[in-house]
Amino acid sequence: NAGVTQTPKFRVLKTGQSMTLLCAQDMNHEYMYWYRQDPGMGLRLIHYSVGEGTTAKGEVPDGYNVSRLKKQNFLLGLESAAPSQTSVYFCASSYGGGAFEQFFGPGTRLTVL
Amino acid sequence: EDQVTQSPEALRLQEGESSSLNCSYTVSGLRGLFWYRQDPGKGPEFLFTLYSAGEEKEKERLKATLTKKESFLHITAPKPEDSATYLCAVTNSGYALNFGKGTSLLVTP
Repeated sequence: NAGVTQTPKFRVLKTGQSMTLLCAQDMNHEYMYWYRQDPGMGLRLIHYSVGEGTTAKGEVPDGYNVSRLKKQNFLLGLESAAPSQTSVYFCASSYGGGAFEQFFGPGTRLTVL
Repeated sequence: EDQVTQSPEALRLQEGESSSLNCSYTVSGLRGLFWYRQDPGKGPEFLFTLYSAGEEKEKERLKATLTKKESFLHITAPKPEDSATYLCAVTNSGYALNFGKGTSLLVTP
């Protein structure tokens, strides 16, 4: 049982480049989330999904897109990376919404030059 | 606006020196308050969920309590391996967790 996995672990991009971060979970969870963590800011929700084929915006969605084509996978895309998107990105999943605990992946450290 | 404030920002304890971390929140219709532990370079690890005022939960040297305005994470006789950042989060919705900035705990031998 791997839990929540994320690829890649590290990535360096130049301004304007695009990339996709992959999140996979093997717990059969319905809900999945993408957060970013910045020094002094805490974790902030980017996008989330309440089931296969659904996505919704979180607190800081601008500059990101997501897709949930399969229940176990949640993709986060950056179409044109900006230095302000330098951050650590965490994926999480939960059995349901509300007060169900969220389980987090190990994170992807992204640097945009 | 919903807010979560954790204090202190950083705490240094000697091994065996018990203390408490605070999480104050302002949210209407609280559905759950969560405590997570985060080690450097890793993702947050779930510790506890508290649902209503008066509730308490324990795990090894950690005990979490909840009132209507705040939660405490009590650490009894801490060990160096308890060193980590402890995150508090609340939710009043069907999905979003609102996180505090965390308390960085260092326990020295």
